[in-house]
Amino acid sequence: DQQVKQNSPSLSVQEGRISILNCDYTNSMFDYFLWYKKYPAEGPTFLISISSIKDKNEDGRFTVFLNKSAKHLSLHIVPSQPGDSAVYFCAASASNQFYFGTGTSLTVIP
Amino acid sequence: EAQVTQNPRYLITVTGKKLTVTCSQNMNHEYMSWYRQDPGLGLRQIYYSMNVEVTDKGDVPEGYKVSRKEKRNFPLILESPSPNQTSLYFCASARGPTNEKLFFGSGTQLSVL
Repeated sequence: DQQVKQNSPSLSVQEGRISILNCDYTNSMFDYFLWYKKYPAEGPTFLISISSIKDKNEDGRFTVFLNKSAKHLSLHIVPSQPGDSAVYFCAASASNQFYFGTGTSLTVIP
Repeated sequence: EAQVTQNPRYLITVTGKKLTVTCSQNMNHEYMSWYRQDPGLGLRQIYYSMNVEVTDKGDVPEGYKVSRKEKRNFPLILESPSPNQTSLYFCASARGPTNEKLFFGSGTQLSVL
């Protein structure tokens, strides 16, 4: 049973606009959340993370929001750039394990 | 350069022929783990290791073995591969399992015929 879900397989955004990627989870024991970016033929690379004691974390163009009551997190990319085109995975950790979503393929149109 | 190194990148084998995928990290990380990526299923954890000689099952351990004899190495062993193990495999490491980020290798594409 998928404990971390990304319900949008794909997303297209114009360059310069905001990209919003969403993720839902079911396990209330998750205490750390991460976003990874993956290009074809490469391993996932870490983007940004957030602890369950926070509701927002920013790093340059990337911001992650956590809504614990809704068991929902989102990644905002502003402004979006063509180089951001990739597959984005959200992940959550608890009990020494990491759980990943199925990924959202983001295409940023120049 | 800090990295996780997996070998081989591509592997084609036949059903039942034992194989090993190697994984090595140079960051002195205590935590290491293996994942498989399949279409529509995302990344699923196969096995993880908290430290030398400490390993545990992830979500999909059936048909796989691991060992952690040294801190830097964490090989994945398929004793008798089957076609349903055809997948893209990733090794990853982290300083620890709590509030730490995973560093991933470049992946191993395995095809079992």
